Amino acid sequence: KAGVTQTPRYLIKTRGQQVTLSCSPISGHRSVSWYQQTPGQGLQFLFEYFSETQRNKGNFPGRFSGRQFSNSRSEMNVSTLELGDSALYLCASSSALGNEKLFFGSGTQLSVL
Amino acid sequence: GENVEQHPSTLSVQEGDSAVIKCTYSDSASNYFPWYKQELGKRPQLIIDIRSNVGEKKDQRIAVTLNKTAKHFSLHITETQPEDSAVYFCAAAILTGGGNKLTFGTGTQLKVEL
Repeated sequence: KAGVTQTPRYLIKTRGQQVTLSCSPISGHRSVSWYQQTPGQGLQFLFEYFSETQRNKGNFPGRFSGRQFSNSRSEMNVSTLELGDSALYLCASSSALGNEKLFFGSGTQLSVL
Repeated sequence: GENVEQHPSTLSVQEGDSAVIKCTYSDSASNYFPWYKQELGKRPQLIIDIRSNVGEKKDQRIAVTLNKTAKHFSLHITETQPEDSAVYFCAAAILTGGGNKLTFGTGTQLKVEL
């Protein structure tokens, strides 16, 4: 069974640009969550999608948005990039809402210059 | 919201010794406490988890203990090996049908020295 796949693996952008990250969950998994990982801050929850609906949202500005498609694939978008958005963005999938076991992808390393 | 504190931030042990990492949480409604291991450049992987109706859980060399009254939980690794070197994250969540939001600690860099 293929794991969680995130693309691209690395991204370099400049301030003010926007970026879209992609996540394909494990086959059969319908819940997709996004986390931001920065040194010293650990992993911070961005949002979670299930059945194409956002179910939970973390404390991030509206520049961070996401969506989920009917095949459970998810995308995350960050608009008007800031230097502080540089981070590893991790996607995790689980089989259902309330199913605690999260399986993480390898992440997208975003660098904002 | 939930807040999880994790200590120590770095831990160095000799091979064969035990390692203990401690976390505290703030929301007494939290009922699920997983631990993730992240090796350098790799994805976080679930190594053990515990629900609030259990006080201790063990899986070979790793164990987790939970004290609901004090709102803290700990990871114990015995007979440490070099391959245990990694960053370990604790997390807490309220499991409901409403979602899988985990609140993570800031991580512990464990180094097992030969």
